[in-house]
Amino acid sequence: NAGVTQTPKFRVLKTGQSMTLLCAQDMNHEYMYWYRQDPGMGLRLIHYSVGEGTTAKGEVPDGYNVSRLKKQNFLLGLESAAPSQTSVYFCASRDPGQGVSEAFFGQGTRLTVV
Amino acid sequence: GEDVEQSLFLSVREGDSSVINCTYTDSSSTYLYWYKQEPGAGLQLLTYIFSNMDMKQDQRLTVLLNKKDKHLSLRIADTQTGDSAIYFCAESEGGGYQKVTFGTGTKLQVIP
Repeated sequence: NAGVTQTPKFRVLKTGQSMTLLCAQDMNHEYMYWYRQDPGMGLRLIHYSVGEGTTAKGEVPDGYNVSRLKKQNFLLGLESAAPSQTSVYFCASRDPGQGVSEAFFGQGTRLTVV
Repeated sequence: GEDVEQSLFLSVREGDSSVINCTYTDSSSTYLYWYKQEPGAGLQLLTYIFSNMDMKQDQRLTVLLNKKDKHLSLRIADTQTGDSAIYFCAESEGGGYQKVTFGTGTKLQVIP
């Protein structure tokens, strides 16, 4: 019963390097999200997807790109990492349905850009 | 835009009640949520309340909503050390998560 799995859990990048964070969910959820969590700022939505092949910008999309080629996977890319992107990144997935439905979060990826 | 405010830190003694407060600005909020984040983990939905409700109780948890003042609170009765975590208030206009706004989180420390 894996739920939402993020890879990797930790990473240190040098400024200008690129990397991809992988999020995988096994619950057949339509909606997937990438958030970043910074001290004193709560969670901020970077990008989201409402279905396979679709993506949309969230609150803080600059410097990030995403892809949802398969329903179960949502990739977050950093093309040229900057120190301002040092953060903890969380992926979440949800089945829209009617009314409130719970979002399931991964355990997070702690990224440090030096 | 929408804004959700919380105090950053709360410390209580084991066995006491904890009250975590939240204020929000979006008058069209339909759902209000409380999430719990334990160290090194993602967020887990703790409870939620519809905007047409004043109160919701679930075992040791009581959620109070004052829609007029846009104030939400979470009361944890008989607080235990296992309740130590960060608690996030969040609001959305509907069931969709495109527009969920999270608060800054309140770190609850339970002293044995």
